[in-house]
Amino acid sequence: DGGITQSPKYLFRKEGQNVTLSCEQNLNHDAMYWYRQDPGQGLRLIYYSQIVNDFQKGDIAEGYSVSREKKESFPLTVTSAQKNPTAFYLCASSIIGQGQETQYFGPGTRLLVL
Amino acid sequence: QQQVKQSPQSLIVQKGGISIINCAYENTAFDYFPWYQQFPGKGPALLIAIRPDVSEKKEGRFTISFNKSAKQFSLHIMDSQPGDSATYFCAASPLGGNTPLVFGKGTRLSVIA
Repeated sequence: DGGITQSPKYLFRKEGQNVTLSCEQNLNHDAMYWYRQDPGQGLRLIYYSQIVNDFQKGDIAEGYSVSREKKESFPLTVTSAQKNPTAFYLCASSIIGQGQETQYFGPGTRLLVL
Repeated sequence: QQQVKQSPQSLIVQKGGISIINCAYENTAFDYFPWYQQFPGKGPALLIAIRPDVSEKKEGRFTISFNKSAKQFSLHIMDSQPGDSATYFCAASPLGGNTPLVFGKGTRLSVIA
């Protein structure tokens, strides 16, 4: 069953704690993305990666970190520096190349602050 | 330059009516325009997409209209159904897939019986 999986579905963070959101894809896609979704704000790009061991900051990277050690995995860490982390986090992936711009999204992780 | 402006923010349509959502962009390098549908608590799913070499694309009850000179594109949902109630996002990116999609802020559609 191909697709993008995100875990956990819900995540609770305590003050000052770093938490890591998992994203895995078995679509053999080159690029992976992390978005943050807040009500009325649409999808805002946090980080993206087009190749293993390389990634670029998006519009709202402050307080977040990522790694891309394997093609199929792109975990996102929400650090204690992110003061307002409560949001719905979406991971996506795509093939790179002309005519291949479609991004496919995972089911999301909802992060809540205790 | 990178923005995609989407309107309206919310929309209420009677069952069987036509839902229309509009988007405008500034970056003339944009060459791929998808629409995504998102149900509450779920990830967005690609609904329909268009490239500017055509002015209209239809898939079932969903139609994208594209006006390159005005830098605008719109989604029309014909015979709207309660099951169409969701949030819709337009997006755009340059051709080539080397730059992430830029998303509009979304339109929450409610189709009432």
